[in-house]
Amino acid sequence: GENVEQHPSTLSVQEGDSAVIKCTYSDSASNYFPWYKQELGKRPQLIIDIRSNVGEKKDQRIAVTLNKTAKHFSLHITETQPEDSAVYFCAARSSGTYKYIFGTGTRLKVLA
Amino acid sequence: GAVVSQHPSWVICKSGTSVKIECRSLDFQATTMFWYRQFPKQSLMLMATSNEGSKATYEQGVEKDKFLINHASLTLSTLTVTSAHPEDSSFYICSAPPVAGGQTGELFFGEGSRLTVL
Repeated sequence: GENVEQHPSTLSVQEGDSAVIKCTYSDSASNYFPWYKQELGKRPQLIIDIRSNVGEKKDQRIAVTLNKTAKHFSLHITETQPEDSAVYFCAARSSGTYKYIFGTGTRLKVLA
Repeated sequence: GAVVSQHPSWVICKSGTSVKIECRSLDFQATTMFWYRQFPKQSLMLMATSNEGSKATYEQGVEKDKFLINHASLTLSTLTVTSAHPEDSSFYICSAPPVAGGQTGELFFGEGSRLTVL
């Protein structure tokens, strides 16, 4: 079945450094890849997304890259701040469906 | 963005009782809603897809008789955990894509419901 792997499971960085989280997906029909940020006990919030016809997308300190051939995509956060500390989930969705497969999550801790 | 509201946000119940969780789309219609379960420090696991006016579609390994889903209108889906047991304690969260204008593909999540079964 469809599967999304996410690494690392935990990540600690110093404030101001960059953080990179990587995901790989198995379903070649996947064409939409969102990233969600979830704070403890709260709902996931979409922070950035990318479609399969785009290789890279950037929004201020956050960027996502996609390699369709290798079936992997990555989240890049630059100039990290303590408020970036949260759990981040990648997801993949196949064309024609709203069914999302989520990665296992990355707990990011930004040290002040 | 669209708003999905979930109620209750937390509930404590005794083993053997049933608990109902509601998920409402407040400013859009949702023919489809998704129910996820999230154990501590784990990912969101899709339990079932709720379809307005028809039966829900359950993921493999999810007991349909234990997790009853009803999607009676375009704005409301309910999840009932029947004969709850301590192992059912979890964070249950619903989500919905807008029917129209959902070109972004974004899923909108409810606030989540934390269920604790004693």
